[in-house]
Amino acid sequence: QLQLQESGPGLVKPSETLSLTCTVSGVSVNNSSYFWGWIRQPPGKGLEWIGNIYYSGDPYDNPSFKNRVTMSIDTARNQFSLRLTSVTAADTAVYFCVRVSLVLTGFNWFDPWGHGTHVTVSS
Amino acid sequence: QSVLTQPPSVSGAPGQRVSISCTGSSSNIGADYDVHWYQHLPGTAPKLLIYSNNKRPSGVPDRFSGSKSGTSASLAFAGLQAADEADYYCQSYDNDLGLWVFGGGTKVTVL
Repeated sequence: QLQLQESGPGLVKPSETLSLTCTVSGVSVNNSSYFWGWIRQPPGKGLEWIGNIYYSGDPYDNPSFKNRVTMSIDTARNQFSLRLTSVTAADTAVYFCVRVSLVLTGFNWFDPWGHGTHVTVSS
Repeated sequence: QSVLTQPPSVSGAPGQRVSISCTGSSSNIGADYDVHWYQHLPGTAPKLLIYSNNKRPSGVPDRFSGSKSGTSASLAFAGLQAADEADYYCQSYDNDLGLWVFGGGTKVTVL
C-alpha cells in the first residue's frame, strides 16, 4: 500500500531554511507515472500548493514563493524533499507531501497525502 | 482569500441530502479544468473523495457524488452520516495564476 510520511524539524527560526523530507513506501519515486508534491495549511487557513517535482527532478513551484523553494528527489532512499529559505512567521503551517497524478497539466489531483508535519517559525 | 469559494460550514441531520458548492472563475473551473474534492479529518491525512469532477476512487461510497457546471462545482452527500463530519476542500487549476488552487474548505456537521 502506498504511504507517504513527512519528517523534519518542528521549529525553525526566522530567516533560516525549512527542510522537510517525504519518505515514500509502496512505490518507487523513480516512477515516470507520477509527480510528487508539497502542499501546506497555515493555522486557520486553507490549503496552499507549494510545488511539484517529477521523477527526473524537474520542478514546478508556486510563483508566490518568489524563488524560495527548492525540491529534490533521492531515488536511493525513495524520498523527496522540500527546502524553503528565508522563512518568516507566515510560513508556519502544517506541511503535507503528496503524490500527483500524471495527467494533462491542470487536470492533476493529489492522492495519497501524508499525515502532515507541523512547522512553527519562531525565535 | 482562496481562489475557489466554498461555504464555511454546512450541516444536516443523519440521512439528509446536503451539498457543498465550489465557485471559481473563467480562469479555473470556467476554463474547463477539472475539479477534485478532498475529505480531511484534522490530524489525519486528507483523502481524495472525488476526482475529475465526478469520479470516485476505489473504496469511496457511492453516496458521495460530484458535478461541475460553468464556473462552479458541487459535492453532494446522498445520505449524511455521522462519519461524514469533516472538512471538505475543492481543488482545480488556475491558468492565469499558473498554479493549482484550493477552496477555503467547508466544515460539515451532522446534527
